[in-house]
Amino acid sequence: DGGITQSPKYLFRKEGQNVTLSCEQNLNHDAMYWYRQDPGQGLRLIYYSQIVNDFQKGDIAEGYSVSREKKESFPLTVTSAQKNPTAFYLCASIGGTVRGGYNEQFFGPGTRLTVL
Amino acid sequence: EDKVVQSPLSLVVHEGDTVTLNCSYEVTNFRSLLWYKQEKKAPTFLFMLTSSGIEKKSGRLSSILDKKELSSILNITATQTGDSAIYLCAVEGSNYKLTFGKGTLLTVNP
Repeated sequence: DGGITQSPKYLFRKEGQNVTLSCEQNLNHDAMYWYRQDPGQGLRLIYYSQIVNDFQKGDIAEGYSVSREKKESFPLTVTSAQKNPTAFYLCASIGGTVRGGYNEQFFGPGTRLTVL
Repeated sequence: EDKVVQSPLSLVVHEGDTVTLNCSYEVTNFRSLLWYKQEKKAPTFLFMLTSSGIEKKSGRLSSILDKKELSSILNITATQTGDSAIYLCAVEGSNYKLTFGKGTLLTVNP
C-alpha cells in the first residue's frame, strides 16, 4: 500500500534537546511538506521541498531544520532554538510533476511532540 | 505573503441543517484551492478546485470556486453528527507552496 508514514506517533523532549521527526513516503511524490498545528491556528507551513536536495522555508521555519537527501524521506529536526515546540506535526506530499491533473495532497498520521 | 481566511471560525448547527463555509484567499500565482476535513488526526481530502464556476460534488458536500472574488464555499446539506470536524481550506500558489486557513470548527448536534 502506498502512503506516508511518520514516526514516532508521540515524542517527549526535554528542554534544550534537539529531536528529529521522521517522514517517509512510497508514493513517488516529488514535493513534500512539514506543517505544524496548534489549537485555533490551522496548519502552518514550516518547510517544503519540491525536489531532492532542495528545500524552502515556509512561514515558521525558525528553530527547525530539514534535509531531503532521498526522494522518499524528509526528516524534520526541531532544535533547541524553537521556543515553543509543543505541537502536532504533520508531514505531507503531493503527487508527481505533471501539473493540471489530480494532485491531492496526502498527509501522514502526524507526530505529537511534547516538551517537558 | 500568501493568505487564506476562513469563516466562520466555528459553527454549531442541528442535524438536518444546511451549512455554508467560506474561504477567501490572496495568493501569488494561484494554482488550486483544496478543502479538507479533519477529525482526530490528519486531514482527509475533500475537493480540489482549479476553475471558476464549476461545482464539485460528493454526496451531501459540494464546493465551488470564484476566482474573480478570490473565494470558495463548501456546502454541506442535511448535516449529520458525523460531519462534526474542522474543515480546512488551502490554496496552492507558486512552487507547490500550500497555505492553509485556520479552519472552521463545525459541530452538529443531534
